[in-house]
Amino acid sequence: RKEVEQDPGPFNVPEGATVAFNCTYSNSASQSFFWYRQDCRKEPKLLMSVYSSGNEDGRFTAQLNRASQYISLLIRDSKLSDSATYLCVVNYNTDKLIFGTGTRLQVFP
Amino acid sequence: DAGVIQSPRHEVTEMGQEVTLRCKPISGHDYLFWYRQTMMRGLELLIYFNNNVPIDDSGMPEDRFSAKMPNASFSTLKIQPSEPRDSAVYFCASSPRDRGRGETQYFGPGTRLLVL
Repeated sequence: RKEVEQDPGPFNVPEGATVAFNCTYSNSASQSFFWYRQDCRKEPKLLMSVYSSGNEDGRFTAQLNRASQYISLLIRDSKLSDSATYLCVVNYNTDKLIFGTGTRLQVFP
Repeated sequence: DAGVIQSPRHEVTEMGQEVTLRCKPISGHDYLFWYRQTMMRGLELLIYFNNNVPIDDSGMPEDRFSAKMPNASFSTLKIQPSEPRDSAVYFCASSPRDRGRGETQYFGPGTRLLVL
């Protein structure tokens, strides 16, 4: 079983739609959680951290469920510029990050 | 401020040749990470350094791969001899002191390697 699992997609949604991505992780000792965004042929960049109580950044909402070892990312009012691959990332309180293989989002007009 | 700098950006070589990838981390960052990304396996950590010292190289695929960090502003990842299965995008990332965990890893633009 992979340490971090994501649905690869692609998710094809129209502009203005709400879309949600899920991610599961296998190590219950995981301490920190993040979503990174990677545009086509570019490097990954931090989108947002995921906190236990859930957190929001504009149109983006991240949720964490430790009991189910599950992380989610919700994007409201999708924009064309949101088209990218979204990487779920887990840290076991070390210096290392464990990346999921990513979920591809394509927003169309 | 300059971000993480990697060179070359693209490399095409023939099987058996030596390949050297270079990375200049962000000034003042104490951690440096080397990753490899493929469609099949996603982003994999190969090795990372703290204060120029290799801490964990368990992700290095085999003896053909080696990495060095002779000083705080420069690191290399070498593949010798290269094989077609080494074809991937290689990313370097850096992070400040005590913040190696997660959110403050800054990635370079990557080196696209194709081994024929």
